[in-house]
Amino acid sequence: SQTIHQWPATLVQPVGSPLSLECTVEGTSNPNLYWYRQAAGRGLQLLFYSVGIGQISSEVPQNLSASRPQDRQFILSSKKLLLSDSGFYLCALGQGGEKLFFGSGTQLSVL
Amino acid sequence: GIQVEQSPPDLILQEGANSTLRCNFSDSVNNLQWFHQNPWGQLINLFYIPSGTKQNGRLSATTVATERYSLLYISSSQTTDSGVYFCALGGGADGLTFGKGTHLIIQP
Repeated sequence: SQTIHQWPATLVQPVGSPLSLECTVEGTSNPNLYWYRQAAGRGLQLLFYSVGIGQISSEVPQNLSASRPQDRQFILSSKKLLLSDSGFYLCALGQGGEKLFFGSGTQLSVL
Repeated sequence: GIQVEQSPPDLILQEGANSTLRCNFSDSVNNLQWFHQNPWGQLINLFYIPSGTKQNGRLSATTVATERYSLLYISSSQTTDSGVYFCALGGGADGLTFGKGTHLIIQP
């Protein structure tokens, strides 16, 4: 079965600093990968979607970007973090019919 | 886009009680799924149920696509059932659209 690795679990960053969150998956090939953000413990917002290497779809305009350098690697980045970037970031994997599985998430606090 | 409404927003029950969570949606069903988010933030996929009924232990789910709603049943609740339950649907290039969730607290 598939496994989703996401790190770090928690991250505290100053405003204006860069960000790199990494998600890697195992046990599957050519997966659809997603980055979601959850604010205030409720409601997940889709940020980015990728169907393959180098293919990124952005759902909302924001201070963030995503890349997929390898089939099983999905990276969320920012050049300069804003206070509003704080939240719980979740990587997800979609399989056959798009049943979705989530990683353990990263709690990001921008101070 | 798809509108997903969940009810109730909050629910507090005693251990052993049964509960029904509801999800209404505005568009044709596509990839409807139920998730449980535990107090540590982990999201677990409970059911993939675009139509019909499925059961997994004390949990079961029913989706009536023609009437645009889905129900999640929890029987004989345990404290470990606490958390937030999300309904979501959609998929593909648009990803899944999530409801705001039902926050369930099971008291011992």
